[in-house]
Amino acid sequence: DSGVTQTPKHLITATGQRVTLRCSPRSGDLSVYWYQQSLDQGLQFLIQYYNGEERAKGNILERFSAQQFPDLHSELNLSSLELGDSALYFCASSVGTGGRYGYTFGSGTRLTVV
Amino acid sequence: GDSVTQMEGPVTLSEEAFLTINCTYTATGYPSLFWYVQYPGEGLQLLLKATKADDKGSNKGFEATYRKETTSFHLEKGSVQVSDSAVYFCALIEVGNTGKLIFGQGTTLQVKP
Repeated sequence: DSGVTQTPKHLITATGQRVTLRCSPRSGDLSVYWYQQSLDQGLQFLIQYYNGEERAKGNILERFSAQQFPDLHSELNLSSLELGDSALYFCASSVGTGGRYGYTFGSGTRLTVV
Repeated sequence: GDSVTQMEGPVTLSEEAFLTINCTYTATGYPSLFWYVQYPGEGLQLLLKATKADDKGSNKGFEATYRKETTSFHLEKGSVQVSDSAVYFCALIEVGNTGKLIFGQGTTLQVKP
């Protein structure tokens, strides 16, 4: 157990739908990062939050949004889902903002859009 | 922008063979470098890291040295085991304060008994 908790582990939904992925960071970590892993794109950084505020944005589609709550858990919202959104979505956390010493990943949520 | 290039896999070795997975990077400044490992059906685990030139990261028999002159961070292990079969990702943290990890495409290692 890495200490980073992601729910649900698996999600199957239809095109056009909206889903929410949840992440609880490791105790004491203030930064949360979201990554998408797909066969064609590899591991892509989506977005980072630090202590409730957006810190950095990567290749995140406009149909996707995220937030970090006061208790530091984070949610990634994916809407108007397309087949190509099927992927493994990882959350990671670190103590500070820079991740210079690496960060801890959760086990991921596998999203299948049918 | 910053990028990481890994040797293509899959890499297939017999147990107790020597392992090298090549990784080179392009970055402005001096990023921190990492190797992550992903076992089947699991998330990514930090294997080792190096934060400055000539640093050697090591863990579980794996080693990698941060070579600034060749912009490389090759992963090595002297004697692989079947349990080392996994996907290995080389990565760097962008210089600055965003914490954004940039990954290589991953190298699949399969170790046969």
